[in-house]
Amino acid sequence: DTEVTQTPKHLVMGMTNKKSLKCEQHMGHRAMYWYKQKAKKPPELMFVYSYEKLSINESVPSRFSPECPNSSLLNLHLHALQPEDSALYLCASSPGGALNEKLFFGSGTQLSVL
Amino acid sequence: DQQVKQNSPSLSVQEGRISILNCDYTNSMFDYFLWYKKYPAEGPTFLISISSIKDKNEDGRFTVFLNKSAKHLSLHIVPSQPGDSAVYFCAASANSNYQLIWGAGTKLIIKP
Repeated sequence: DTEVTQTPKHLVMGMTNKKSLKCEQHMGHRAMYWYKQKAKKPPELMFVYSYEKLSINESVPSRFSPECPNSSLLNLHLHALQPEDSALYLCASSPGGALNEKLFFGSGTQLSVL
Repeated sequence: DQQVKQNSPSLSVQEGRISILNCDYTNSMFDYFLWYKKYPAEGPTFLISISSIKDKNEDGRFTVFLNKSAKHLSLHIVPSQPGDSAVYFCAASANSNYQLIWGAGTKLIIKP
């Protein structure tokens, strides 16, 4: 299995809703990432978990809350989002803990905040 | 300050010809470079990488060239195929503790 699986593929939520994005990989990778991508822009790093510990938080607002229940799973909990948070949210994994490794991306969750 | 620049937002190439995508960087500490390909509504897919100890890396139709003195790298696709139409991102890193820095991407359109 060489895939990173993200659910849901699409999500529409209101500003008062609470929702979660899920990501799963079974490649034995030790690092997992959340990226945000707006149209016609490069991916922006949000969080990195290395060996199940949060190693990087790129000054992301607290309305985004990551969670890594185990080495195969990564969640992103969303609460009180703003319309400008609408974007493609990408999960990625890499084999070790080095930040410059080749990343394996999921297909993303297209999020719309109304 | 953009440390990784892809100055061409888009590029149109005839099928069968060579596609050349360019990337410039400003940080001389960068020592590892990657190219990713992205289709709409999908995650980026790793294409090819190069370490600063080399000046060329080849994988099938894809070749990456690195010119360290000019702080420039390029991705060559020969021959170009319709399935190559996508956005191509260049990314760079300084060392294993330094996150990838991404360029803005170049949209490649292969014309039949």
